[in-house]
Amino acid sequence: QKEVEQNSGPLSVPEGAIASLNCTYSDRGSQSFFWYRQYSGKSPELIMSIYSNGDKEDGRFTAQLNKASQYVSLLIRDSQPSDSATYLCAVNINAGNNRKLIWGLGTSLAVNP
Amino acid sequence: EAGVAQSPRYKIIEKRQSVAFWCNPISGHATLYWYQQILGQGPKLLIQFQNNGVVDDSQLPKDRFSAERLKGVDSTLKIQPAKLEDSAVYLCASTHLGLYEQYFGPGTRLTVT
Repeated sequence: QKEVEQNSGPLSVPEGAIASLNCTYSDRGSQSFFWYRQYSGKSPELIMSIYSNGDKEDGRFTAQLNKASQYVSLLIRDSQPSDSATYLCAVNINAGNNRKLIWGLGTSLAVNP
Repeated sequence: EAGVAQSPRYKIIEKRQSVAFWCNPISGHATLYWYQQILGQGPKLLIQFQNNGVVDDSQLPKDRFSAERLKGVDSTLKIQPAKLEDSAVYLCASTHLGLYEQYFGPGTRLTVT
């Protein structure tokens, strides 16, 4: 059973701090990794994708990937109250022609003013 | 580029009734997914279409759920008869053929009483 694990939280950080969200995955063959943000009552929104080991930065967001450790993380710098949401980690699996994502349960982030 | 469209946005039905959801993917996206998301959990894949063919329906409760994508564009998901445990948000997502980045519609919130 291929799995993606995340701490459910809630993770609470003060405004302006760095929020660190972590995700581990079980399939060593996974090559594509995604972070989605989901506000309460809304659908998931893709915010970051990463495919190679190392860091990928986009504005206040940095995704970090370590395939040897099967670990992917999302850092949010200068956290804002508007970043309060659930963050979903998704990882690809390949099964022949079936390209699909395996999803974590999500980590709830609360940024306190 | 228009996003994924879904309707209705909300539906309340009694148990044992039937319900249908509609999804129109982003133009040109060959792959379409239906997910079920229960509060506090990650999305659970129900069925995946590639054009008008089913790629994965391993987690679809086939005794009560059905889905079709007849012309390879829009899709419908049906539940008949509904059970209380079907109360959830039903999400439709789409992606280009061969890619993993999925884009979600607004979802349909189903309440079964």
